[in-house]
Amino acid sequence: GQNIDQPTEMTATEGAIVQINCTYQTSGFNGLFWYQQHAGEAPTFLSYNVLDGLEEKGRFSSFLSRSKGYSYLLLKELQMKDSASYLCAVRSPNQAGTALIFGKGTTLSVSS
Amino acid sequence: NAGVMQNPRHLVRRRGQEARLRCSPMKGHSHVYWYRQLPEEGLKFMVYLQKENIIDESGMPKERFSAEFPKEGPSILRIQQVVRGDSAAYFCASSPTRGSPGAKNIQYFGAGTRLSVL
Repeated sequence: GQNIDQPTEMTATEGAIVQINCTYQTSGFNGLFWYQQHAGEAPTFLSYNVLDGLEEKGRFSSFLSRSKGYSYLLLKELQMKDSASYLCAVRSPNQAGTALIFGKGTTLSVSS
Repeated sequence: NAGVMQNPRHLVRRRGQEARLRCSPMKGHSHVYWYRQLPEEGLKFMVYLQKENIIDESGMPKERFSAEFPKEGPSILRIQQVVRGDSAAYFCASSPTRGSPGAKNIQYFGAGTRLSVL
């Protein structure tokens, strides 16, 4: 079966650091994506990992361990505008090699 | 450079009616994907299309749902004889290429169509 787990909700304060974890069990693996989605808006691409290790992009970093089926998204210097849902998605190597399997998302609330 | 455009943003239908959802991919993208998001659920893959071809419809319900991506014009997701359980947000995404293993091939999403069935 295909399963992606992430916490439902998290809270943090402005200026802090937060880590959102994602574990996955899929029949195959062809890359892991993180998206940010504000309420009523389009999911927007944040990061991509296909090899083990850390990818850093400004205030956002993403880590992958394929042997553990584990990833995390790290957000530094939190701002109020970071309040959103964060979606972890694994690309399934099906026939087309393209479909994304999504977790249910983690709703992050940033307070002042 | 316009992003992925979906319309309408909101659609209300009565049970038994047809719903047509449109998606125009980003300029230069020829690969389109449709996902459905039910309340309290994650995005679920439905179908992957290229121009005039359905590549993968493994996530599409076998009845009442169909999708097309004609040579000219937007991709259409069509739901016939809608039922209350079809109420959801339907998202379209596009990418520039098919994507070989390991290639990033980012999918860019539209803002979705929220379908409500009365």
